[in-house]
Amino acid sequence: GAGVSQTPSNKVTEKGKYVELRCDPISGHTALYWYRQSLGQGPEFLIYFQGTGAADDSGLPNDRFFAVRPEGSVSTLKIQRTERGDSAVYLCASSVTSGGYGELFFGEGSRLTVL
Amino acid sequence: EDKVVQSPLSLVVHEGDTVTLNCSYEVTNFRSLLWYKQEKKAPTFLFMLTSSGIEKKSGRLSSILDKKELFSILNITATQTGDSAIYLCAVVLASGTYKYIFGTGTRLKVLA
Repeated sequence: GAGVSQTPSNKVTEKGKYVELRCDPISGHTALYWYRQSLGQGPEFLIYFQGTGAADDSGLPNDRFFAVRPEGSVSTLKIQRTERGDSAVYLCASSVTSGGYGELFFGEGSRLTVL
Repeated sequence: EDKVVQSPLSLVVHEGDTVTLNCSYEVTNFRSLLWYKQEKKAPTFLFMLTSSGIEKKSGRLSSILDKKELFSILNITATQTGDSAIYLCAVVLASGTYKYIFGTGTRLKVLA
């Protein structure tokens, strides 16, 4: 596609439920990043994929969070047993190169609200 | 711990003013520094800086990096209301995972 696409744009769920957030990066971009942005804060790193593998998942806050990218393109961020503190905008970004040489192209984000 | 700090946190100016935004960093292994503008949701890329002392310029915006003192500045001259946004600075690490570490951003509001 022309840009990074994220769905859903908004998700409201109840505490304890499971959610999936999807990211479709720019075609041909091998690097994919997930960030979380809370109100008044900068994007907080969650996980980085190089191809199909998670090169760095050190930013995932706990084992309720998991992400996959099975074919090296679309990625899904999965959150189990959601908590109110998980409410934030989840941003996905992709880059044509790995190794931190290129700019990140961001999607519009998925706003998650946990009631 | 790798850290990126931006100042000021927020700024209100009038159209035509010049603003200078600051980004300082403490990281283990620096590769590059990027500036982004975030108006609503998706941050949009402004500049990438890798070398000290070389100014990057685009219209009324310019930026420079000082790798000795570990900071960068973003200048906006003749500000317009359309410049109102959050300006984010990110530092890319050179080793390991190449993750991009963002600061908290500077919220700029330009009044007509």
